[in-house]
Amino acid sequence: GAGVSQSPSNKVTEKGKDVELRCDPISGHTALYWYRQRLGQGLEFLIYFQGNSAPDKSGLPSDRFSAERTGESVSTLTIQRTQQEDSAVYLCASSSGVRGRTDTQYFGPGTRLTVL
Amino acid sequence: AQKVTQAQTEISVVEKEDVTLDCVYETRDTTYYLFWYKQPPSGELVFLIRRNSFDEQNEISGRYSWNFQKSTSSFNFTITASQVVDSAVYFCALLNQGGKLIFGQGTELSVKP
Repeated sequence: GAGVSQSPSNKVTEKGKDVELRCDPISGHTALYWYRQRLGQGLEFLIYFQGNSAPDKSGLPSDRFSAERTGESVSTLTIQRTQQEDSAVYLCASSSGVRGRTDTQYFGPGTRLTVL
Repeated sequence: AQKVTQAQTEISVVEKEDVTLDCVYETRDTTYYLFWYKQPPSGELVFLIRRNSFDEQNEISGRYSWNFQKSTSSFNFTITASQVVDSAVYFCALLNQGGKLIFGQGTELSVKP
């Protein structure tokens, strides 16, 4: 079966531009997560969706970051007015949601964002 | 505070050696879950194992084994007879009752032929 997919795999943008990153979770998974991984570091939690609502946005670093999810499926993470410090790999994960946030999370391959 | 510490930043071994990756965690929760993920050079995190806090049985899967000890808050991962394909960054993670998955900083394992 298909795993979590993300697009694009790589994105290079200029400082100040907006970017959109896409995540397709495993079919049937109601919970979806976004993480950021800076070079050589662990993962930082950004946001959690259960269905189409986001009960936990506590990890979003600033109001330039936003995310939405539609149809309990695809999610888009948008970064407005990108800064060089936004350069990182953005990872998406999904889980079945049966046990809320305590299910095992399965990760996609990530989008490597480079802001010049 | 919830925290995961992987003290080994990098480990280098020669193929066929056994290697143990250390993981120490901190939590005040009585119910929690521990994970190991593998991140090969391709970048995708691959789920390896999940343990819950009530199950301290060690687990073996092929060349992989995990030693969970609540008394020392450790969840160590051993690869027996390592292979070049085991080269990756390995992350230990803690999932608390609030549902936050907290990662360690990762251990980069390099297996040389």
